[in-house]
Amino acid sequence: IAGITQAPTSQILAAGRRMTLRCTQDMRHNAMYWYRQDLGLGLRLIHYSNTAGTTGKGEVPDGYSVSRANTDDFPLTLASAVPSQTSVYFCASSQDSSGANVLTFGAGSRLTVL
Amino acid sequence: GQNIDQPTEMTATEGAIVQINCTYQTSGFNGLFWYQQHAGEAPTFLSYNVLDGLEEKGRFSSFLSRSKGYSYLLLKELQMKDSASYLCAVREGDYKLSFGAGTTVTVRA
Repeated sequence: IAGITQAPTSQILAAGRRMTLRCTQDMRHNAMYWYRQDLGLGLRLIHYSNTAGTTGKGEVPDGYSVSRANTDDFPLTLASAVPSQTSVYFCASSQDSSGANVLTFGAGSRLTVL
Repeated sequence: GQNIDQPTEMTATEGAIVQINCTYQTSGFNGLFWYQQHAGEAPTFLSYNVLDGLEEKGRFSSFLSRSKGYSYLLLKELQMKDSASYLCAVREGDYKLSFGAGTTVTVRA
């Protein structure tokens, strides 16, 4: 079934640890995104990529990094996790990044930083 | 940046109609989306408006007024499965899609 796969589904980690959330899509979409969702704040864009080899900063990029080595994969790395990064993280993709292009979301990764 | 406002919660009875309003302030408006999100699940696309007017899709309709910075999502003949959060999202320029905090709709029998 075509779509977006995120891993892990859920993770608890200690503050200061490094963590990579994985995201893979098989729809050959050009654009990919990482959002975090917190109660009362909605979805906030962390980083995005319009095409393989390029990335950009979203609304809340501090403490996070991404890479886009190929079309399918878009991992999100927390270099040194802090408790404020406790959230649900959603990866999404779209055919491209303009106009009416609809975002397809992965199932989410719930991260708890202690 | 932009400011997207929608009510936090709404409750309605099965079979009724509910209207969820969304107001926004943005420069470079390039479309408005509505997504549905059931608890613990990913958001899924419902509707898209870029021109003024009403878009109807079965039991769901979405309206846009660009001059007023206003949209609404209309849910008709409510069913229990419509209990979910409804997210208003505004595209500004090319890549940037910003979301409101969402409106949780509870449908009662």
